[in-house]
Amino acid sequence: GENVEQHPSTLSVQEGDSAVIKCTYSDSASNYFPWYKQELGKRPQLIIDIRSNVGEKKDQRIAVTLNKTAKHFSLHITETQPEDSAVYFCAANEDAGGTSYGKLTFGQGTILTVHP
Amino acid sequence: DAGVTQSPTHLIKTRGQQVTLRCSPKSGHDTVSWYQQALGQGPQFIFQYYEEEERQRGNFPDRFSGHQFPNYSSELNVNALLLGDSALYLCASSLFGVDEKLFFGSGTQLSVL
Repeated sequence: GENVEQHPSTLSVQEGDSAVIKCTYSDSASNYFPWYKQELGKRPQLIIDIRSNVGEKKDQRIAVTLNKTAKHFSLHITETQPEDSAVYFCAANEDAGGTSYGKLTFGQGTILTVHP
Repeated sequence: DAGVTQSPTHLIKTRGQQVTLRCSPKSGHDTVSWYQQALGQGPQFIFQYYEEEERQRGNFPDRFSGHQFPNYSSELNVNALLLGDSALYLCASSLFGVDEKLFFGSGTQLSVL
């Protein structure tokens, strides 16, 4: 099955700095890579996702890059704000026989703290 | 447009008991997946239901079972509860074969004493 490794486990930045979180995956058949933000006591919320036919995707201050050859993908947050503080999870799908059933394998999470 | 709803929000059980958790998917979605999130960990896939059938299953014992109803809502049942079953149980919905985006509910926090 798929294995997703995420690092760092904790990340502390000053407001306005950039934050980068990296993940590696093991299954070369994986083709969908979402990122979720989970605030304390709340549901995981999808913040951005990327498919394997794209190398980079941006949405305002958030961007994700994918390197299929190296099997790693990264989340980039620019101009961080205190409200960006949360736990961030990367994930990769398991493509079941060419038709994805949406089974995701998650990384262990990164606790991001943005200091004012 | 209602999002994914789960009930109850919190539950306390003792070892050996059985529990049923419930989930209603986001409007327009037909697929429900269940995840277990232990404290400080990422969610782990339990199983997924589509067309009232279990489509995929993660590495969880048979004590974990589920059901999907014709209205797409779903239940997760756990028998013979163990202390290690204490976790946040998340339900996620999606549209099968169309969009892989998963939308999560707020979860049920299960404590086994």
